[in-house]
Amino acid sequence: DSGVTQTPKHLITATGQRVTLRCSPRSGDLSVYWYQQSLDQGLQFLIQYYNGEERAKGNILERFSAQQFPDLHSELNLSSLELGDSALYFCASRAWGSFYGYTFGSGTRLTVV
Amino acid sequence: DAKTTQPTSMDCAEGRAANLPCNHSTISGNEYVYWYRQIHSQGPQYIIHGLKNNETNEMASLIITEDRKSSTLILPHATLRDTAVYYCIALTSYGKLTFGQGTILTVHP
Repeated sequence: DSGVTQTPKHLITATGQRVTLRCSPRSGDLSVYWYQQSLDQGLQFLIQYYNGEERAKGNILERFSAQQFPDLHSELNLSSLELGDSALYFCASRAWGSFYGYTFGSGTRLTVV
Repeated sequence: DAKTTQPTSMDCAEGRAANLPCNHSTISGNEYVYWYRQIHSQGPQYIIHGLKNNETNEMASLIITEDRKSSTLILPHATLRDTAVYYCIALTSYGKLTFGQGTILTVHP
């Protein structure tokens, strides 16, 4: 157990639908990062939050949004889902300035049918 | 962050040392060399990092050349469970982790 909790582990939904992925960071970590990993792509950085504020954006589609709540958990919202959104979605957390890198959760596998 | 270059794939016999190279010729003075690995479909796992000195922990050793343009991750006694994709990343302490294609390490019995 890495200390980063992601729910649900698996999600199957239809095209056009909206889903929410949840991430609870490791205790004390203020930074949360979201990554997408699809079959034909490597790990792609989506977005970063630090203590409730957006800090960096990567290749995140406009149909996707995220937020970090006061208790530091984060949610990634994916809407108008397409088949190509099927992927593993990972959340990672990090203590600010930590030299020991990011701690990743076990991911949410999203399948859009 | 500096770009890193790694071989696409490598093989290693179980019980032998696995030496995974990484080139980072444009690394800047405040960038650390980090190594992560991803075992099939699991979340990436931190292995080790270093700035300019060689480092060792319970998982691996990291050898960084004196000019810091390349490094080698050493798994001293590889096991089948070390089969994974290994990522070498140059990163400042406040930087954003960006993954390349990594090296697919296959450990054979």
